[in-house]
Amino acid sequence: KQEVTQIPAALSVPEGENLVLNCSFTDSAIYNLQWFRQDPGKGLTSLLLIQSSQREQTSGRLNASLDKSSGRSTLYIAASQPGDSATYLCALSGGSYIPTFGRGTSLIVHP
Amino acid sequence: KAGVTQTPRYLIKTRGQQVTLSCSPISGHRSVSWYQQTPGQGLQFLFEYFSETQRNKGNFPGRFSGRQFSNSRSEMNVSTLELGDSALYLCASSLDPGGDTQYFGPGTRLTVL
Repeated sequence: KQEVTQIPAALSVPEGENLVLNCSFTDSAIYNLQWFRQDPGKGLTSLLLIQSSQREQTSGRLNASLDKSSGRSTLYIAASQPGDSATYLCALSGGSYIPTFGRGTSLIVHP
Repeated sequence: KAGVTQTPRYLIKTRGQQVTLSCSPISGHRSVSWYQQTPGQGLQFLFEYFSETQRNKGNFPGRFSGRQFSNSRSEMNVSTLELGDSALYLCASSLDPGGDTQYFGPGTRLTVL
């Protein structure tokens, strides 16, 4: 059974810092990995999708990498802003395509 | 393009009742997935529908069911509600099943008293 762990569970940083969020998984037989953000009481917003054959994806200040051999993915946020404050979740879809989510990293960026 | 819409947004029910939640996917999206989110268990997959057929199902009891209509709109039903069913129920749509980018709705907050 796939298990997904996100570290750290919570993070508080000053505005402008570059930061890295981690996602680790136990089964490397994945189909893809997706990063989301969730604002309090709201649905999820898709940030980046990395297919199994890819190593990384970039969108603006966000960069996500995938290393299946080590069972890890990282989300890099450059020059963080208060608007980046949210919970960030990673989700993996395996061969059965049933997605498994991590518990998330709660990020606060203070001015 | 309009996003994924879910109705109702908030719902209060009592134990033993049943409830039906609705989800309208993004226009052109044919796959709809449902999730339950609770503080204790996080986000858990309920089921996925494509072309009116249930394609995958998570580890939930038979009280949880769903269906998809020919226009891709989907409903989920929970019968004999329990206190533990209180959660945020999220719907997501994608162009196709099998791990395509998912777009989530705002969710339905269900409270069971």
